[in-house]
Amino acid sequence: AQSVTQPDIHITVSEGASLELRCNYSYGATPYLFWYVQSPGQGLQLLLKYFSGDTLVQGIKGFEAEFKRSQSSFNLRKPSVHWSDAAEYFCAVGAKTGANNLFFGTGTRLTVIP
Amino acid sequence: DAGVIQSPRHEVTEMGQEVTLRCKPISGHDYLFWYRQTMMRGLELLIYFNNNVPIDDSGMPEDRFSAKMPNASFSTLKIQPSEPRDSAVYFCASRIGGSYGYTFGSGTRLTVV
Repeated sequence: AQSVTQPDIHITVSEGASLELRCNYSYGATPYLFWYVQSPGQGLQLLLKYFSGDTLVQGIKGFEAEFKRSQSSFNLRKPSVHWSDAAEYFCAVGAKTGANNLFFGTGTRLTVIP
Repeated sequence: DAGVIQSPRHEVTEMGQEVTLRCKPISGHDYLFWYRQTMMRGLELLIYFNNNVPIDDSGMPEDRFSAKMPNASFSTLKIQPSEPRDSAVYFCASRIGGSYGYTFGSGTRLTVV
């Protein structure tokens, strides 16, 4: 069965500090992997996605993520966090074939302090 | 394009009442998804449509929930009768087949008292 685990419910970082949000997945086939961001009262916005090829993918707003098959992980990183990055972040996995829906992790809430 | 449009943004209703949530997908998108977001369970897929046809409704929690897509530009999610445990944020999303470019609406926050 497919599942996505985001072990950190809440993370607090100082503005300008680096950030890493963890994501582990369990999937029976080769997955497509995604990171979404949700600002308060808003829908989800796609940050980046991994389908194949280079395991380090770049996204919007200066975010990047690295796919590590051996660890079943797809961690999100940003070298220097801005106050506007405060939001909820969701990792998601989808199938390359068959079902067309996404399975989401429970999210990590990011707080940025001055 | 205005994106995926959901209405209402907020809904407060009494237990036992019927609730209808609405979604207008992006024009040209042939997949439409309904998700529910709660603190306890996160984002759950309820049902999705392809070309207006329901493909997988296994996530619909009970018979009290029903969804329709009468045409390519409109979908509804109905709860009848509503219960307090239905309180959540309900998201609609759409995409074009063959692409994983989901676009989410801003959601409907439902409170059942």
